[in-house]
Amino acid sequence: DSGVTQTPKHLITATGQRVTLRCSPRSGDLSVYWYQQSLDQGLQFLIQYYNGEERAKGNILERFSAQQFPDLHSELNLSSLELGDSALYFCASSVAGSNYGYTFGSGTRLTVV
Amino acid sequence: GENVEQHPSTLSVQEGDSAVIKCTYSDSASNYFPWYKQELGKGPQLIIDIRSNVGEKKDQRIAVTLNKTAKHFSLHITETQPEDSAVYFCAPDPNTGNQFYFGTGTSLTVIP
Repeated sequence: DSGVTQTPKHLITATGQRVTLRCSPRSGDLSVYWYQQSLDQGLQFLIQYYNGEERAKGNILERFSAQQFPDLHSELNLSSLELGDSALYFCASSVAGSNYGYTFGSGTRLTVV
Repeated sequence: GENVEQHPSTLSVQEGDSAVIKCTYSDSASNYFPWYKQELGKGPQLIIDIRSNVGEKKDQRIAVTLNKTAKHFSLHITETQPEDSAVYFCAPDPNTGNQFYFGTGTSLTVIP
């Protein structure tokens, strides 16, 4: 157990639908990062939050949004889902910035049918 | 932003042999150099890291070496075992805390 908790582990939904992925960071970590990993692909950075505030955005689609709550857990909202959104979504946390190393959760596997 | 390349993209070794994966980067300001291991169906795990004031770091069978002049660092795994089979990612960081990009990954297969 890495200390980063992601729920749900698996999600199957239809095109056009909206889903919410949840992440609880490791205790003491203030930064949360979201990554997307498609089949046989690398890790694509989506967005970072630090202590409740958005800090950086990567290749995140406008249909996707995220937030970090006062208790530091984070949610990634994916809407108007398309088949191409099927992927593994990872949450990672770090004590501060990316130069302290990440602790990753076990991911949410999203399948859009 | 940082351009990161990993070589090779795939690597097969016999159990007990050594494996070396190289990561090259473009930003000379990089000073944090981690390696992550991702096993099938799991999230990446930080396995070793080094900062620029150190040239080499070892942890049992794994080591990381850094060549800042040439802007590359390498992961060395000795006495490989089947459980070392995984995808390995590097993620050099310019210590801004704003580097979020990983290398393309190296798939290592250890043949029993």
